[in-house]
Amino acid sequence: DIQLTQSPSSMSASLGDRVSLTCQSSQGIGNYLSWYQHKPGKPPKPMIYYATNLADGVPSRFSGSRSGSDYSLTISSLESEDTAIYYCLQYDEYPLTFGSGTKLEIK
Amino acid sequence: EVQLVESGGGLVQPGRSMKLSCAASGFTFNNYDMAWVCQAPKKGLEWVATISYDGSSTYYRDSVKGRFTISRDNAKSTLYLQMDSLRSEDTATYYCARHDGTYYPDYWGQGVMVTVSS
Repeated sequence: DIQLTQSPSSMSASLGDRVSLTCQSSQGIGNYLSWYQHKPGKPPKPMIYYATNLADGVPSRFSGSRSGSDYSLTISSLESEDTAIYYCLQYDEYPLTFGSGTKLEIK
Repeated sequence: EVQLVESGGGLVQPGRSMKLSCAASGFTFNNYDMAWVCQAPKKGLEWVATISYDGSSTYYRDSVKGRFTISRDNAKSTLYLQMDSLRSEDTATYYCARHDGTYYPDYWGQGVMVTVSS
């Protein structure tokens, strides 16, 4: 199975900070990686698909990038509503696998 | 507007069965592969199973193979998850999700809680 390693597991940052979350794949998955924002009591919300594409309705301060087997979700200017757990998902092959998540908090 | 509404969760004893349903609306259901994803308490997200748009192909994570069955009724725009021989470790919130054209899960239901306990 493909392993996705997310780092850091948790972090806190100040409003307005630039924040980058990382997801490393154990095997090649091309661009078949998506990012989700998950808040308590709500379903996961898609943020990025195909590594770099912004999902519908997602603010432009979010972006996705790829360097080899490393994938990143970047928030250019952190806002209070961005507090959540962020998961990456590979959908290149079965079983689909999620990373273990990064908990993002506001200082 | 795309809507996915799960139902059928609750408390069930270990070894018993439960069937989840997911009613879809706002899109042409029989054009899309569909999935179930779960989240155990205080754990991360886990993909459970996927079914192709016409029901001809199904895929499962190893821990549910032989116990869970994903199915669909395209005439009713409804997705199902039959869960047999339930274990305490199956306790989770179960979400149904749609695979979009590029295959990533783009729309998700609100989730339904399944608790396996005696």
